[in-house]
Amino acid sequence: KQEVTQIPAALSVPEGENLVLNCSFTDSAIYNLQWFRQDPGKGLTSLLLIQSSQREQTSGRLNASLDKSSGRSTLYIAASQPGDSATYLCAVREVLTGNQFYFGTGTSLTVIP
Amino acid sequence: ETGVTQTPRHLVMGMTNKKSLKCEQHLGHNAMYWYKQSAKKPLELMFVYNFKEQTENNSVPSRFSPECPNSSHLFLHLHTLQPEDSALYLCASSQPRLGGSPSYEQYFGPGTRLTVT
Repeated sequence: KQEVTQIPAALSVPEGENLVLNCSFTDSAIYNLQWFRQDPGKGLTSLLLIQSSQREQTSGRLNASLDKSSGRSTLYIAASQPGDSATYLCAVREVLTGNQFYFGTGTSLTVIP
Repeated sequence: ETGVTQTPRHLVMGMTNKKSLKCEQHLGHNAMYWYKQSAKKPLELMFVYNFKEQTENNSVPSRFSPECPNSSHLFLHLHTLQPEDSALYLCASSQPRLGGSPSYEQYFGPGTRLTVT
């Protein structure tokens, strides 16, 4: 069974810093990987989706990379802002049925003004 | 707010009650999902529907009963729940993965915060 791990579990940085969040998965047979943001008590907002054939995706200050062979993805956030404070989750969609999504436990990010 | 809505947003129910959660998507998707999110645990996929047919049931207890009357609506019927069922229940939708077609991203609703007393 696929296992997804996110490190660190929590991160606190001063405003303006660049930061990297990590996601690792045990089975490289994935269809895609998706990064989400979750604000307290709310649903998930999709940030970036990387297909298994892609190496990276960019949206504004966010850049996500995927190294499928090593089972890793990173989410890079440039010039962090207090509004970036949230929990960031990664999820992989497995190949076999395409209907199973496996989530990590998330990284709780706090950006200090 | 996204194109996926959930009602109610908060629900408190006793262990003997029967209630239902509702999810509606306005994105033209044909796959819908129920997830459970408990504190300090990864999101757990509960059920998957593709074109109104249930394709995944991840060993969910029978006190949770899903229903998908059409591709836009998904229900989760609750009966005789336990306190450990208290959690945030999230609905999501996407295009289903069909052989050879690109895989689409999931869109989530805001969730229903369920408390079982």
